[in-house]
Amino acid sequence: GAGVSQTPSNKVTEKGKYVELRCDPISGHTALYWYRQSLGQGPEFLIYFQGTGAADDSGLPNDRFFAVRPEGSVSTLKIQRTERGDSAVYLCASRKLAGALSTGELFFGEGSRLTVL
Amino acid sequence: DAKTTQPTSMDCAEGRAANLPCNHSTISGNEYVYWYRQIHSQGPQYIIHGLKNNETNEMASLIITEDRKSSTLILPHATLRDTAVYYCIVRSRQGGSEKLVFGKGMKLTVNP
Repeated sequence: GAGVSQTPSNKVTEKGKYVELRCDPISGHTALYWYRQSLGQGPEFLIYFQGTGAADDSGLPNDRFFAVRPEGSVSTLKIQRTERGDSAVYLCASRKLAGALSTGELFFGEGSRLTVL
Repeated sequence: DAKTTQPTSMDCAEGRAANLPCNHSTISGNEYVYWYRQIHSQGPQYIIHGLKNNETNEMASLIITEDRKSSTLILPHATLRDTAVYYCIVRSRQGGSEKLVFGKGMKLTVNP
């Protein structure tokens, strides 16, 4: 597709369940980011991939959160033992180039809204 | 990356220019100023970025003061569709963190 695609757009789960959120970046974009956004707040950085490897995972709140990007394209954010506080919109973004020459322009998806009951 | 300060909210009349201020008094020489906006229920959208020269594109103009401690995003003819939260972000492009750090942004409401 032309833009960043995220699925599902909405996910309702129960406390303690496992959740996977998927991100399809723009074709050819080497850098991929995950953010999460709570109501009334700006997006909060979680993790950044350059190719297949996580270059910066300093924003992951705890070890229940994990993300992969095995082939350097699609990425999956995995949340174990979900808690009510995990409820948020999870945003994925991609960028064409990484490193000092990149323009800094991130292209965001529409987000996956996670609700933990 | 340096921190930015923006007003919480601003109103603008449709058809008028909207001037959105941002303070970044601790900006360093290799840090760029980026602007994104987020329309309700959508992901953030890139608007413009600059280092020290004024920049213009089809969406907006960015005016950076000579000392680089503040900047203004200008939407020349605001429309109702420009109602959104606008984020001013400072980021280094020379190594270091690749991430963009968003604050709370500023809510712009364009009124008919």
